[in-house]
Amino acid sequence: DAGVIQSPRHEVTEMGQEVTLRCKPISGHDYLFWYRQTMMRGLELLIYFNNNVPIDDSGMPEDRFSAKMPNASFSTLKIQPSEPRDSAVYFCASSFSRTDYGYTFGSGTRLTVV
Amino acid sequence: GQSLEQPSEVTAVEGAIVQINCTYQTSGFYGLSWYQQHDGGAPTFLSYNALDGLEETGRFSSFLSRSDSYGYLLLQELQMKDSASYFCAVRGGTGGRRALTFGSGTRLQVQP
Repeated sequence: DAGVIQSPRHEVTEMGQEVTLRCKPISGHDYLFWYRQTMMRGLELLIYFNNNVPIDDSGMPEDRFSAKMPNASFSTLKIQPSEPRDSAVYFCASSFSRTDYGYTFGSGTRLTVV
Repeated sequence: GQSLEQPSEVTAVEGAIVQINCTYQTSGFYGLSWYQQHDGGAPTFLSYNALDGLEETGRFSSFLSRSDSYGYLLLQELQMKDSASYFCAVRGGTGGRRALTFGSGTRLQVQP
């Protein structure tokens, strides 16, 4: 298995632009998580899905952020409009409910908003 | 809500043993996990404790005491490649039993 695949690896965008981050979870995993990592705030859970259904989005910072999971093999995190304070590394992770509860993280997307 | 406390930095020498402590407060607890993250990399899963006691996986061991809301990660026979950040994380709380809340991480520096 190729693991959790995220794209792009790096994204530099101007303030006010729309940004879309993509994630392909491990096949067969039924949970998908989006985290954001910054020096100041560490690893923050933004939203997670179970069987493509959003379970908890209380970590989504504000209405500018939205996430979808149209099928079991694809999820997006969109920021519109982007702001400099959104600059961070965004990780997608997946897990399988019937194992030892470990997450497998993707390589992350480093987002810089200028 | 949840909160976790772990030391920000630990330094040790090759071949030594180091223990990274984690205390937590959470409403609803299902387990304590540990993750390793090298600079520029992604967190990788190390261990999970749902019950009290010690879990051993090779050079790494993890311990949990639910009554004390405390756990630790023990790294033995330290190698240079163990230099990384180590995060404890709790399952449970407001995000539900599957969601992980991470501590701020402990940066381990292994010196020759």
